Amino acid sequence: AQSVAQPEDQVNVAEGNPLTVKCTYSVSGNPYLFWYVQYPNRGLQFLLKYITGDNLVKGSYGFEAEFNKSQTSFHLKKPSALVSDSALYFCAVSPPGNTDKLIFGTGTRLQVFP
Amino acid sequence: DTEVTQTPKHLVMGMTNKKSLKCEQHMGHRAMYWYKQKAKKPPELMFVYSYEKLSINESVPSRFSPECPNSSLLNLHLHALQPEDSALYLCASRGYHEQYFGPGTRLTVT
Repeated sequence: AQSVAQPEDQVNVAEGNPLTVKCTYSVSGNPYLFWYVQYPNRGLQFLLKYITGDNLVKGSYGFEAEFNKSQTSFHLKKPSALVSDSALYFCAVSPPGNTDKLIFGTGTRLQVFP
Repeated sequence: DTEVTQTPKHLVMGMTNKKSLKCEQHMGHRAMYWYKQKAKKPPELMFVYSYEKLSINESVPSRFSPECPNSSLLNLHLHALQPEDSALYLCASRGYHEQYFGPGTRLTVT
């Protein structure tokens, strides 16, 4: 079965420190990979995507993500966390040839402490 | 402009009411989506419209009825809902690869 795993329910990090939010997937072929962020009582905001090409992709608000095909991972990173980055983060995958379908991970709550 | 708008922001309705949720995008996207999201859970796909035609219905109960009047608008008609239908309803449209989400309608069924 196709699935996306976000192994950490919550990640805590001090402001100014680097952050990583983990995502692994189980989808055959070459899927499209996405990260979204959701602030309380808001919709999801698109952060970045991997389609093809360089394994390190850069997105909005200083976020980047590293694609690792052998480990089927797509971890979200930021060199220096801000308190305002505190939110719920979803990793999502579109299977090859099915861009209408987004398989979401369960979400990771990022808490950045001052 | 990557904005998807949704109205209303909040809706409280009784189980016998009929109401509608509205979604609009002006990005020229030809695929639009309805999702249901419960608290602290990922969104669940309900319907997909592609070029104004319903292409996917994820076995959604008939008390939810989608409509796509034109390429910019998407409606979700609600009738005889149950309390368990209370959730955040999200609309999205898809660009070349990624989906762009609206802010959602917070629905409470009493």
